[in-house]
Amino acid sequence: GESVGLHLPTLSVQEGDNSIINCAYSNSASDYFIWYKQESGKGPQFIIDIRSNMDKRQGQRVTVLLNKTVKHLSLQIAATQPGDSAVYFCAGVGGYGGSQGNLIFGKGTKLSVKP
Amino acid sequence: DAGVIQSPRHEVTEMGQEVTLRCKPISGHNSLFWYRQTMMRGLELLIYFNNNVPIDDSGMPEDRFSAKMPNASFSTLKIQPSEPRDSAVYFCASSQWRMEGNSPLHFGNGTRLTVT
Repeated sequence: GESVGLHLPTLSVQEGDNSIINCAYSNSASDYFIWYKQESGKGPQFIIDIRSNMDKRQGQRVTVLLNKTVKHLSLQIAATQPGDSAVYFCAGVGGYGGSQGNLIFGKGTKLSVKP
Repeated sequence: DAGVIQSPRHEVTEMGQEVTLRCKPISGHNSLFWYRQTMMRGLELLIYFNNNVPIDDSGMPEDRFSAKMPNASFSTLKIQPSEPRDSAVYFCASSQWRMEGNSPLHFGNGTRLTVT
């Protein structure tokens, strides 16, 4: 029979605009979070990480914001480019001092950049 | 830095056949992870090793799956016998685990397995 695939939330932005991808987590004890980018046919690629003792961290064109009060994580991409089109995953270690074996991945958000 | 290297990139096999997936982690990394990705279930951790020792294999679907890490630079994931429902992309990832905190996993480009 026909299978039903996982329908990813999609964010469509115009080239040059800023993108914001959001992620919610449930374990208040999580202390380490990572954002990954996955292009078609490739493995997840590390973008940026943040520890729970920080609420903001910046990289090249990317910023991660962590709000522990509402258990929310976001990835901001400045001046979005066509090469940013991909699926973005947030991941968190489940529990304080938890092993990386407890890394839990979100379902992903598909970013589509319109030229 | 060569990154995590997986082989083969694609594998097509018939139901009942044995499949062996291979992984070379990044040199110097002491943790290795095997993940499976499907549209239905997303990324699932199958097993991971620290310093070549399996730590948690609770994600391994069943006894048909086995993984080994004979040394710090090589790991295999074996499926015997394979079934159509094993069709997925299998990723290997490695990281440098440190006492002072976690570090990000670095993924290979995966092996796309199709079992007919």
